[in-house]
Amino acid sequence: GQNIDQPTEMTATEGAIVQINCTYQTSGFNGLFWYQQHAGEAPTFLSYNVLDGLEEKGRFSSFLSRSKGYSYLLLKELQMKDSASYLCAVRDSNYQLIWGAGTKLIIKP
Amino acid sequence: IAGITQAPTSQILAAGRRMTLRCTQDMRHNAMYWYRQDLGLGLRLIHYSNTAGTTGKGEVPDGYSVSRANTDDFPLTLASAVPSQTSVYFCASSDSNSGANVLTFGAGSRLTVL
Repeated sequence: GQNIDQPTEMTATEGAIVQINCTYQTSGFNGLFWYQQHAGEAPTFLSYNVLDGLEEKGRFSSFLSRSKGYSYLLLKELQMKDSASYLCAVRDSNYQLIWGAGTKLIIKP
Repeated sequence: IAGITQAPTSQILAAGRRMTLRCTQDMRHNAMYWYRQDLGLGLRLIHYSNTAGTTGKGEVPDGYSVSRANTDDFPLTLASAVPSQTSVYFCASSDSNSGANVLTFGAGSRLTVL
């Protein structure tokens, strides 16, 4: 079956750096997405990786290794507003999105 | 403001009742989707539409129906609601002809079936 694994919850300190991992087992691969979802709100797009390597976008970076079925989202200079759930999703060979359950990130002052 | 509008925001419904969740987008996206989000699970696709006039079944279609009469609207109907359909429902849209095909989500509709 198809599976996306990410930690259920993580805690970090304001101003620090945190890395949220995502491993996947899917039938084919056509891109990996990270979305941010604040409590009670809609998911919003953060990043898209289709080739191996690091994509940097301001304080957020996303890394992909297709051979390892692995990605991470790196958040730098954490701010209280970064407290949210972070969803990893993979597009499979049928161009369907498979979603992880999300990682709830708690930022402490 | 361009985006997706969902209604109602929240609804409590008796089991056996019929319910339609509305979704409208003004981005002229060709593709639209309905997901449900339950605690501890990833988003699960209910139905989708790649273009006006066509629809398809997702991962969990049973008990739900959709229609796509035009580009902008994609309502989701529960013909006879059951408690297991208690969930948060998200409508999304995308330009599936773009490279990344990024989804834009509505604010969600929280449905409780008693």
